[in-house]
Parts: sequence; C-alpha cells; structure tokens
Amino acid sequence: EAGVTQSPTHLIKTRGQQATLRCSPISGHTSVYWYQQALGLGLQFLLWYDEGEERNRGNFPPRFSGRQFPNYSSELNVNALELEDSALYLCASSLGTDQNTEAFFGQGTRLTVV
Amino acid sequence: SQQGEEDPQALSIQEGENATMNCSYKTSINNLQWYRQNSGRGLVHLILIRSNEREKHSGRLRVTLDTSKKSSSLLITASRAADTASYFCATDAWSGKLIFGQGTELSVKP
Repeated sequence: EAGVTQSPTHLIKTRGQQATLRCSPISGHTSVYWYQQALGLGLQFLLWYDEGEERNRGNFPPRFSGRQFPNYSSELNVNALELEDSALYLCASSLGTDQNTEAFFGQGTRLTVV
Repeated sequence: SQQGEEDPQALSIQEGENATMNCSYKTSINNLQWYRQNSGRGLVHLILIRSNEREKHSGRLRVTLDTSKKSSSLLITASRAADTASYFCATDAWSGKLIFGQGTELSVKP
C-alpha cells in the first residue's frame, strides 16, 4: 500500500513568486494535514482538511492557503514568497476526525526561496 | 505555541544501551504519538498511546503515559546506530491537529 506522497521533492523559488505543493494521502484517509518545519523552529501546524473542508488553521498569514480535492488529495499554496518561507513542508494523512488513529507523514517538499 | 516539550534536547549513548526520552504537555489530550525523523526527511510514526492507556510496547519501544502529570516517556532498548534520529512527541487534543514538541536528537555511537 502506498504511503503519503508529496511532490515535488525540492522546489526553488524566487522571493515574491508563488509555490504550489501537492500531497496524496494514503488510500482511505480523508484527513490531510500540512506542517512547516523551518530550521530551528520545529514542526508548526499549518492547515487541516477533512472531507474537502478546511477544519483548522495554524498561526500563519493568509498567503498560506490550500484546498482538498474530491479524491482527498491536497494542495498547499504559498503566495508572495518570503525568504523565511524556506522550510521543509510536510503533509500527513489520517482516517479522519472521529477516529483515534495515527497520522502518517510523507517525505516532504523542501522549499527554498532565494 | 508548542504543546509538547521533549527532554533532553540531545542524547548521546553507546550501541546496546537504553535511551529514554521524555515529553511533557499542557492540556488534556485524546492521544499522544511518537515519531522519528532521520536527517530532515519525513516523519516515521512509531507508536500511538491513547489517553486511557498507561503503557504500550512495540518491538524495542516502550511508551508510558501519565495523564495526571501530563507526561510521556519513550524508551528504546538495546539501541542501535540506526536508531540515530530526532524523536518527537505529538499530542492530539481533539482539535484535529497534532501539536509537536521540539524533539530530542538521539545519537547512538557504534
């Protein structure tokens, strides 16, 4: 069974550009989570989607946005990129909100803003 | 703000020794999960312990949970060089998101 897959693996963008990161959850999982792991800052919660709806949002500016598609895959969009947005972006999926189950992570997308 | 706080921040041991990492958190939780991360790659799920459980085992891993003290520990027995990684605890407080601690960097020397 395939795990959580993220693309691209690496992404280099210029300050001010937009970045789009993609995530495919494990088959059968309806919840997708996005986290940012910047150097020295640990894992910061970004967004949670379940059944196509945004359920919760971390303390990030509105230029961080995303969506979940009918097949439960998800996109994270970062507009007006800043140097500080350089980080490893991790996506995770789980069975959903009502079940006490594990969240499984992908390998991440390393975004570098120059 | 981070919910979990791991202790110690870094731990260096010899192969064959046991490694113990601790995690404290602030609010009531639904469950607590431990993850491993190798060299800035994705997180590998290790174990989930529910709030009504006190201890759980998985291979060489033993996790305890004390909800009265809002703390958990991860014990890795008979450590191997391949266990070298960062270990994170993450709490699920019914908000639909996992809150991670800063992690413990474990180094196991052969």
